Amino acid sequence: EPEVTQTPSHQVTQMGQEVILRCVPISNHLYFYWYRQILGQKVEFLVSFYNNEISEKSEIFDDQFSVERPDGSNFTLKIRSTKLEDSAMYFCASNGPLNTGELFFGEGSRLTVL
Amino acid sequence: QKEVEQDPGPLSVPEGAIVSLNCTYSNSAFQYFMWYRQYSRKGPELLMYTYSSGNKEDGRFTAQVDKSSKYISLFIRDSQPSDSATYLCAMSPFSGGYNKLIFGAGTRLAVHP
Repeated sequence: EPEVTQTPSHQVTQMGQEVILRCVPISNHLYFYWYRQILGQKVEFLVSFYNNEISEKSEIFDDQFSVERPDGSNFTLKIRSTKLEDSAMYFCASNGPLNTGELFFGEGSRLTVL
Repeated sequence: QKEVEQDPGPLSVPEGAIVSLNCTYSNSAFQYFMWYRQYSRKGPELLMYTYSSGNKEDGRFTAQVDKSSKYISLFIRDSQPSDSATYLCAMSPFSGGYNKLIFGAGTRLAVHP
């Protein structure tokens, strides 16, 4: 069964460092997302991406964050200068084709900022 | 008022019980309703989705949507210890294209043998 894969599963970084989280969405999907879940809290929307552009972003997704689809399979989330409060699980998700709304999530990347 | 409200539990039931999980919402534009199961430190796993109102059944799981009351439910029949997880409701005004989901807080369920 096709699945969304994410790497790394866990990353520990120092405050102020840049991190890149990687995702391979399901191959025929068209819409890609990043969500975040701080420990013990809700899953929160960060950004959606379609046709090499951001469709929508939340207020959490400030200038420290960026997304990219560098090739036909990978989808990345970059945090330029990490803060302690960026510590969370980051989930990639995808859906498609056009009128299928079911989002499939990856297993997540746990980011710990020290 | 929160957009999506979900009782965090925990909910503890004996094996074989019928479990009822619920969410309420305030945004009348929501019409796409989903239930995810999440094991500890894992990604949300899609269980069921319904579009607009009505019921949907899949094996031991039944999803119900009552748009007039802004209330959705997930029923689990013959619950098993392996059903122990956090159940997340999620919803959106999706009508095609990208689908920005708003999640509830999740209900922790424990099914004991």
